[in-house]
Amino acid sequence: ILNVEQSPQSLHVQEGDSTNFTCSFPSSNFYALHWYRWETAKSPEALFVMTLNGDEKKKGRISATLNTKEGYSYLYIKGSQPEDSATYLCALRSNSGYALNFGKGTSLLVTP
Amino acid sequence: NAGVTQTPKFRILKIGQSMTLQCAQDMNHNYMYWYRQDPGMGLKLIYYSVGAGITDKGEVPNGYNVSRSTTEDFPLRLELAAPSQTSVYFCASSQGREFEQYFGPGTRLTVT
Repeated sequence: ILNVEQSPQSLHVQEGDSTNFTCSFPSSNFYALHWYRWETAKSPEALFVMTLNGDEKKKGRISATLNTKEGYSYLYIKGSQPEDSATYLCALRSNSGYALNFGKGTSLLVTP
Repeated sequence: NAGVTQTPKFRILKIGQSMTLQCAQDMNHNYMYWYRQDPGMGLKLIYYSVGAGITDKGEVPNGYNVSRSTTEDFPLRLELAAPSQTSVYFCASSQGREFEQYFGPGTRLTVT
């Protein structure tokens, strides 16, 4: 079982603000890192799957970076909108298993 | 294309009762997973399957059983329900180990 830490636990920003949060993980035995977006009363939806050190992925106003050597990934949201309000989950897959080890998530609230 | 479907959406069980949570996917994915989500905790893997006829335990398998007789279906069986099994259960599927997971809408189970 790999320990995946996410910070902050929750975040409240104003519409238009840019924000970012962190996922930390043990750097050894790394295979892939996933980011999911989970809206209330819905099921988690995949944002990114990242495997290479230095990887940077982008989807609209959301982007993510990966540093496997130091064991962290950042998720950035540019110009936050109320519809970005959700919990953002980070999950790590190790070399040795099929399971995803999920962090507890960062809960983002964007108010107008 | 319905994706991943789960039934029922909600269920209340008495201690000691048994039930089966149904999960089906129509994306021809080989990999399927069962997670539980407890308040303040990350998603925990209960069981997973890498193909029909092949299943394996995840992080929290005690009190549960699974079967995978077809590619499409991956039911989760609770025997002798206990209050500790009160949780939200998510089924997920993926094309393979390195791909993102697609989640079902969840089943909210209460054991009293």
